[in-house]
Amino acid sequence: SQQGEEDPQALSIQEGENATMNCSYKTSINNLQWYRQNSGRGLVHLILIRSNEREKHSGRLRVTLDTSKKSSSLLITASRAADTASYFCATDSSNTGKLIFGQGTTLQVKP
Amino acid sequence: DTAVSQTPKYLVTQMGNDKSIKCEQNLGHDTMYWYKQDSKKFLKIMFSYNNKELIINETVPNRFSPKSPDKAHLNLHINSLELGDSAVYFCASSVQGNNSPLHFGNGTRLTVT
Repeated sequence: SQQGEEDPQALSIQEGENATMNCSYKTSINNLQWYRQNSGRGLVHLILIRSNEREKHSGRLRVTLDTSKKSSSLLITASRAADTASYFCATDSSNTGKLIFGQGTTLQVKP
Repeated sequence: DTAVSQTPKYLVTQMGNDKSIKCEQNLGHDTMYWYKQDSKKFLKIMFSYNNKELIINETVPNRFSPKSPDKAHLNLHINSLELGDSAVYFCASSVQGNNSPLHFGNGTRLTVT
């Protein structure tokens, strides 16, 4: 069964604006990860946030995690056209490294 | 010097055929995976191997058979291909254990006609 659900499914913004994507999940987790997928390419890992962490930053990316609400958000600040991609959250609930992916948010950044 | 490489990139074949997809990683990782991404971009794990040992098998039809000759390689063989097998198949690898991000290949787009 699908663990993560992402919101919105699609997002279109102008370059320079911020983009926020949300992810909700159903069971307890060890960590939550965000990945980016450019068209026709594999997924690229962006950020991993552990269940005991609440916020994490990496460059223009900011991830929050609220385990009480079973939700996470990914904020991309000062977006660029090159940020156009699909973004996926994935949860790790087991000790086997098995990741359950959300359905993804397709982000379009217009120049 | 691609970290996770899979071949072929595209595979077009007819129903009933048998095909293989190969994957190699040069990251020194212990764990490798096969994921399937459908036309709606939904990504689902199929198999995971750790040091050549199968550790995850997600209710995949037994027409799909993974083979790991060594920890740097995980191949996927599919027998009697069906229309519903059309998808993009991704190989990935990670360091063993929790809290390890996955490194993905660029995918193999399989089209069954």
